[in-house]
Amino acid sequence: GAVVSQHPSRVICKSGTSVKIECRSLDFQATTMFWYRQFPKKSLMLMATSNEGSKATYEQGVEKDKFLINHASLTLSTLTVTSAHPEDSSFYICSARGRDRANYGYTFGSGTRLTVV
Amino acid sequence: GQQVMQIPQYQHVQEGEDFTTYCNSSTTLSNIQWYKQRPGGHPVFLIQLVKSGEVKKQKRLTFQFGEAKKNSSLHITATQTTDVGTYFCAGDSGGSNYKLTFGKGTLLTVNP
Repeated sequence: GAVVSQHPSRVICKSGTSVKIECRSLDFQATTMFWYRQFPKKSLMLMATSNEGSKATYEQGVEKDKFLINHASLTLSTLTVTSAHPEDSSFYICSARGRDRANYGYTFGSGTRLTVV
Repeated sequence: GQQVMQIPQYQHVQEGEDFTTYCNSSTTLSNIQWYKQRPGGHPVFLIQLVKSGEVKKQKRLTFQFGEAKKNSSLHITATQTTDVGTYFCAGDSGGSNYKLTFGKGTLLTVNP
């Protein structure tokens, strides 16, 4: 089945620093990748949608200059949390949809738990 | 924008009891998907429903898509402790952006 590899799984960083999270589709071409944020015991909040080779589309209320998304290839998308603050601490998850996987749902990465101290 | 409501938010059952979670969309959907997230884990795709009135089964799990393609349900028969987790529905309104709108999820706990 389709696999999306996300890393790091956990990261602790200091306030003011930047953190990059990577998502790779291992056995399919991810034409579209989605980045979510999830608070404890809460649902998934879509942050942005990225299509390979084009600028990401951010959801309302998500700062595009703070959460930089790059989808440079069909197998890799990155989310960079810039100038992190403690309130950015959360669980970040990517998901990918492949061109030929219309009936297979979306494959999620294993998530990254970010703690900003 | 599109909204997907899911109830109940929590459900605690005794092992062997049945469980149902319901989703209702504010708009007609192209398809609806169901995911399961174990505690500490990430969402895992369970199934996708596309056709009006569709019913699909996976062992003890039964998924239904309403005739109007706006509501859906997941029913688990004779729950087991391995069923513990949060079940999310996610509506796809169609279009070229393939964006899913997730319900808030139902956290199922099972008492052995």
